[in-house]
Amino acid sequence: NAGVTQTPKFRVLKTGQSMTLLCAQDMNHEYMYWYRQDPGMGLRLIHYSVGEGTTAKGEVPDGYNVSRLKKQNFLLGLESAAPSQTSVYFCASSSPGGAHSGELFFGEGSRLTVL
Amino acid sequence: GQNIDQPTEMTATEGAIVQINCTYQTSGFNGLFWYQQHAGEAPTFLSYNVLDGLEEKGRFSSFLSRSKGYSYLLLKELQMKDSASYLCAVSDSNYQLIWGAGTKLIIKP
Repeated sequence: NAGVTQTPKFRVLKTGQSMTLLCAQDMNHEYMYWYRQDPGMGLRLIHYSVGEGTTAKGEVPDGYNVSRLKKQNFLLGLESAAPSQTSVYFCASSSPGGAHSGELFFGEGSRLTVL
Repeated sequence: GQNIDQPTEMTATEGAIVQINCTYQTSGFNGLFWYQQHAGEAPTFLSYNVLDGLEEKGRFSSFLSRSKGYSYLLLKELQMKDSASYLCAVSDSNYQLIWGAGTKLIIKP
């Protein structure tokens, strides 16, 4: 039972490079999210999706793009990486109307360093 | 604005009891969550409160007072493996989660 899987787990980029983080979930969840987590701060929502083909901006969307072409996948792209994007990125999914409405299931995280 | 406050760090002794507080101010309320996060790992679900009162689950309990905008997580019979960060999150009127910065709990033998 894989749950939520993120790739890659670690990545080092140079300023200006681009990359894509992939998130895959096998729980048939409608909702998917990308968060970043920085020391001393709470999880901050970057973008989210409430269904296949839909995306929306979260709290800190600048510098990121996302796509949800398939229900099970949610991609996070950095077109031109900046040192301020050095962070740990978490993907999560949820199912509306569940027993714990809004409970999130997280991937293991992707640690990104931008030099 | 929306705000979640919880202590940055707490220290407790193995076998003891610790209470981690969380106060919130959000636009609407659709439940409060507690998650546990070990260093270098993903957050995992601990508890969910949507009505006032105490929810007990083994060694862990969570309390909610909606009128006071207040919750606490109570951990009993502390074990070394309970050393982790504990994240408080509130589901607002749009069912979006607003997260606290987390409380790092250090357990000493």
